[in-house]
Amino acid sequence: RKEVEQDPGPFNVPEGATVAFNCTYSNSASQSFFWYRQDCRKEPKLLMSVYSSGNEDGRFTAQLNRASQYISLLIRDSKLSDSATYLCVVNDYKLSFGAGTTVTVRA
Amino acid sequence: GAGVSQSPSNKVTEKGKDVELRCDPISGHTALYWYRQSLGQGLEFLIYFQGNSAPDKSGLPSDRFSAERTGGSVSTLTIQRTQQEDSAVYLCASSLLRSFNTEAFFGQGTRLTVV
Repeated sequence: RKEVEQDPGPFNVPEGATVAFNCTYSNSASQSFFWYRQDCRKEPKLLMSVYSSGNEDGRFTAQLNRASQYISLLIRDSKLSDSATYLCVVNDYKLSFGAGTTVTVRA
Repeated sequence: GAGVSQSPSNKVTEKGKDVELRCDPISGHTALYWYRQSLGQGLEFLIYFQGNSAPDKSGLPSDRFSAERTGGSVSTLTIQRTQQEDSAVYLCASSLLRSFNTEAFFGQGTRLTVV
């Protein structure tokens, strides 16, 4: 089983829509989680950390479910600029990346 | 700039040649990671350096791959006798400390093409 697995997508949504996707992790002792964003042919950049109680950053909401070992990302009121690949990351001293979920927001 | 710097940005090499890829982490960052990303694929962990600890080399795909980190700063990833399947973008990242929610910053990568 892979350490981190993601919804593969792609998700193709209209502007203004809400899109959500999940990521599961295999190590029940994992403590630290992130969502990174990667634009085409660019390096990954931190989107947000994921806290135990869940957290929001503007239109983005991240949730952690330790019992089921998954994290989720929800994007509200999608913008064209949200089109990217979203990478789930688990930090167990080394950063383990999911394969990414591709989101395309269309006009 | 103050970010992670990688060089060269692009490298085309002939099959069988050796290549060296360089990473300059953000000053003061103790953790340094190397990843590989093939076209349309996710990030594949290669090696991790943390301070003076022995590096985690568990992701290196073969003994043709090696990496060093001199003086706790600059790192070099060496690929010997390159093969076509080594073609990928090699990404380096650094972070301040191994602790909760420490952000890792990536360089722009070295695009390696083996012909």
